[in-house]
Amino acid sequence: ETGVTQTPRHLVMGMTNKKSLKCEQHLGHNAMYWYKQSAKKPLELMFVYSLEERVENNSVPSRFSPECPNSSHLFLHLHTLQPEDSALYLCASSQGVAGDTQYFGPGTRLTVL
Amino acid sequence: SQQGEEDPQALSIQEGENATMNCSYKTSINNLQWYRQNSGRGLVHLILIRSNEREKHSGRLRVTLDTSKKSSSLLITASRAADTASYFCATPVSNDYKLSFGAGTTVTVRA
Repeated sequence: ETGVTQTPRHLVMGMTNKKSLKCEQHLGHNAMYWYKQSAKKPLELMFVYSLEERVENNSVPSRFSPECPNSSHLFLHLHTLQPEDSALYLCASSQGVAGDTQYFGPGTRLTVL
Repeated sequence: SQQGEEDPQALSIQEGENATMNCSYKTSINNLQWYRQNSGRGLVHLILIRSNEREKHSGRLRVTLDTSKKSSSLLITASRAADTASYFCATPVSNDYKLSFGAGTTVTVRA
């Protein structure tokens, strides 16, 4: 247990569906992250939130929409996804200090049909 | 952009043997971190080594850092089947709190 939880753990959705991924951290951290991990590729940083403000959006398509209602919760809203969006989506948190360790959730395995 | 690169991409060893993997990076750093990922799971932080440290130990793990060569190594001694996982090095991005992860080394420990 790293103190970061993600739900659901597995998700299968059609291209016209709308779904949301949820992340919660119980560590009192100030920064939260969404990563995408596809097979045989390095981790791709998607979004960074610091103190509930989005500080980075790495050219992620608009079909992915993040939301950070408070410093403990992070959502990733999904709509009209493509099959190539199938991947493991990882949430992480950190204190928000430069070079700090990140704590990861177990991930959501997403399959888009 | 990706800063760290691990080598080799994959490693297969017998239980009880040592496993060594390397990480090279491009720019100056204030620390380097190693993470482990079991198949289909999240990453787990293993060890952080600061730029003024040359070697660090944690249980069966030994990490070295050579800032002149911009490289680090992770040694797992007396490997066990449970060490089967992917191992990633990560470096801070400039003075930011973001990390740049390498593509990882996949280690398989055979019983």
